[in-house]
Amino acid sequence: RKEVEQDPGPFNVPEGATVAFNCTYSNSASQSFFWYRQDCRKEPKLLMSVYSSGNEDGRFTAQLNRASQYISLLIRDSKLSDSATYLCVVNTLGNEKLTFGTGTRLTIIP
Amino acid sequence: GAVVSQHPSWVICKSGTSVKIECRSLDFQATTMFWYRQFPKQSLMLMATSNEGSKATYEQGVEKDKFLINHASLTLSTLTVTSAHPEDSSFYICSGGAFYNEQFFGPGTRLTVL
Repeated sequence: RKEVEQDPGPFNVPEGATVAFNCTYSNSASQSFFWYRQDCRKEPKLLMSVYSSGNEDGRFTAQLNRASQYISLLIRDSKLSDSATYLCVVNTLGNEKLTFGTGTRLTIIP
Repeated sequence: GAVVSQHPSWVICKSGTSVKIECRSLDFQATTMFWYRQFPKQSLMLMATSNEGSKATYEQGVEKDKFLINHASLTLSTLTVTSAHPEDSSFYICSGGAFYNEQFFGPGTRLTVL
């Protein structure tokens, strides 16, 4: 089983719609959780950290369920510029080492 | 956020040659940097942890004699792909952490081995 699993997609969603991504992680000792965004042929960039209480940043909402070892990302009112690959990322050892999911590819359709 | 640069951004080389990729933290000091490789349509795979002033730690399956890592200062780590072959063609990305758990990535180096 992979350490971090995501649905690879692709998700093709009309502009303005709401889209949700899910991610599961295998190590219950995982400590920190993130969503990164990666555009084609570019480096990943931090979208948001995920906190136990859930957190929101504008149109983006992230949630964590430690009991189910499940992380989610919700994008509301999707924009064309949201088209990218979204990477679920977990830090397990408490150092700076990150484990990446395979990513979910999102395309927003005009 | 913090800035990490990589050089070169892309390189094409002949099979059998060695290629050096530089990763610099521009506005912070990084005692630890990470090197990743990404093949098309796949996720980032951690290759090694680069430690300033000491030996790098390699992930399982990554040949340390083929991928030489040097982290001689707090702002520079280098990855040398020795005797490159076409199967080494990939997108190589480094990262460094300026704040606890947040990693900042370089723009990546696209290596093509002919």
